[in-house]
Amino acid sequence: DTAVSQTPKYLVTQMGNDKSIKCEQNLGHDTMYWYKQDSKKFLKIMFSYNNKELIINETVPNRFSPKSPDKAHLNLHINSLELGDSAVYFCASSQGRGRQETQYFGPGTRLLVL
Amino acid sequence: GNSVTQMEGPVTLSEEAFLTINCTYTATGYPSLFWYVQYPGEGLQLLLKATKADDKGSNKGFEATYRKETTSFHLEKGSVQVSDSAVYFCALDPADKLSFGAGTTVTVRA
Repeated sequence: DTAVSQTPKYLVTQMGNDKSIKCEQNLGHDTMYWYKQDSKKFLKIMFSYNNKELIINETVPNRFSPKSPDKAHLNLHINSLELGDSAVYFCASSQGRGRQETQYFGPGTRLLVL
Repeated sequence: GNSVTQMEGPVTLSEEAFLTINCTYTATGYPSLFWYVQYPGEGLQLLLKATKADDKGSNKGFEATYRKETTSFHLEKGSVQVSDSAVYFCALDPADKLSFGAGTTVTVRA
């Protein structure tokens, strides 16, 4: 019944490894997002997809690559993990792209790079 | 550019106290304004929103009014409960991208 789900919830890994985070929404929404929240709780958008097309790509290292196999899924793959990648990553979705849209967030994936 | 400035925390209150969290914004055009809340260990969820000037958003006893003249969207609650302990984020969306404030951590003591 979870509207926006992410896996895994926790991810602990070594520097240099490659990892993926998966996101699924069952709300029938067209738009999905990835956000990064740092240790001070500051939240910043990374990517946004609408109907499987990339529409927002903020200044993010190209080690981060999103993939949307269908409207309900948006995965995030991270290559060559660095210490500074440690953060909480949130997936979100919205019905559309308008300025009035409410975004629905997943529970977050807590990534710790050692 | 678009940006949101909200009061720094942390804020610690006793139960039944009055809460206000200031939020001001800079934006081109006519953005929608939001308050999102993040309870411990969870993702963000919408608390309330307003889409045009003078609109008042309200939910769970919280209120905020979209003031174009002062570019503000302050959050208020008349009597807080322990369950209101959370991080509160003010945000604006001018088109299709949310910009968040830094978040204000609120702790309510019994």
